[in-house]
Amino acid sequence: GQQLNQSPQSMFIQEGEDVSMNCTSSSIFNTWLWYKQDPGEGPVLLIALYKAGELTSNGRLTAQFGITRKDSFLNISASIPSDVGIYFCAGGGGATNKLIFGTGTLLAVQP
Amino acid sequence: GAGVSQTPSNKVTEKGKYVELRCDPISGHTALYWYRQSLGQGPEFLIYFQGTGAADDSGLPNDRFFAVRPEGSVSTLKIQRTERGDSAVYLCASSWDGSTEAFFGQGTRLTVV
Repeated sequence: GQQLNQSPQSMFIQEGEDVSMNCTSSSIFNTWLWYKQDPGEGPVLLIALYKAGELTSNGRLTAQFGITRKDSFLNISASIPSDVGIYFCAGGGGATNKLIFGTGTLLAVQP
Repeated sequence: GAGVSQTPSNKVTEKGKYVELRCDPISGHTALYWYRQSLGQGPEFLIYFQGTGAADDSGLPNDRFFAVRPEGSVSTLKIQRTERGDSAVYLCASSWDGSTEAFFGQGTRLTVV
C-alpha cells in the first residue's frame, strides 16, 4: 500500500538536543497528523494540522503544514528520555478521512 | 470506556483457520477504522465505517477479509482461511463524525503459524 516518505529513518541523540523530522508526499492532503508509537502500543496523536502554512505547537513539539500541502515537519525541542519511540506522519482529509501513514522515524535518546 | 479497546491483544492461529478480531470504539465516535501494521512499517488502511455501513473498504487485501459493525458501535474484523502473510498487528481507530483525528487502540497482534 501507499506510504509517505519520512526522514530520517532513525535518529540517535543526546538528551537535551533538538530533533527535526519531515514527511513528503506526491499527493496533496487537507490534513497532516503526527503520531508517536511505543512498543506494543497503538499510535498516539500528538499534533493535527488543517491549513497550508499552519504552524502548531504542543509543549516541546512544533509541527508545520507545508505550503504546497505535500509535506510536513515535526520538531522536538530539548529532548528527554521519554521521547523515545517511533514517530509517524499521516496525511488525510479526503472523502473518507482515511489516513496514509509515513514510514516512521525511530528516535533514541541517550540520557 | 475511555479509549479504543481491542481484543484479544494477541492471537496465534494455524494457517487455514478463521479468526475474529474485536474493536470497541470510544463512546460516541461514529467513525471507525481498521488498519494493519507490518513489522517496521506504518499502519495501512483497511476499511472505514460511518455508523453501521462500510463507507470505504478499498484497503481490504482480498475477499478473505471482511468487517462488520452491525449496531454502529463495536466492530469485528473477520479473516477466513488465514495465511502466514496475514501475520501483523491489526489496529482499530475511531473518531468523531467528519474528523480526521483518529484515536487508536493498542492493536491485536495476529500470528499465523
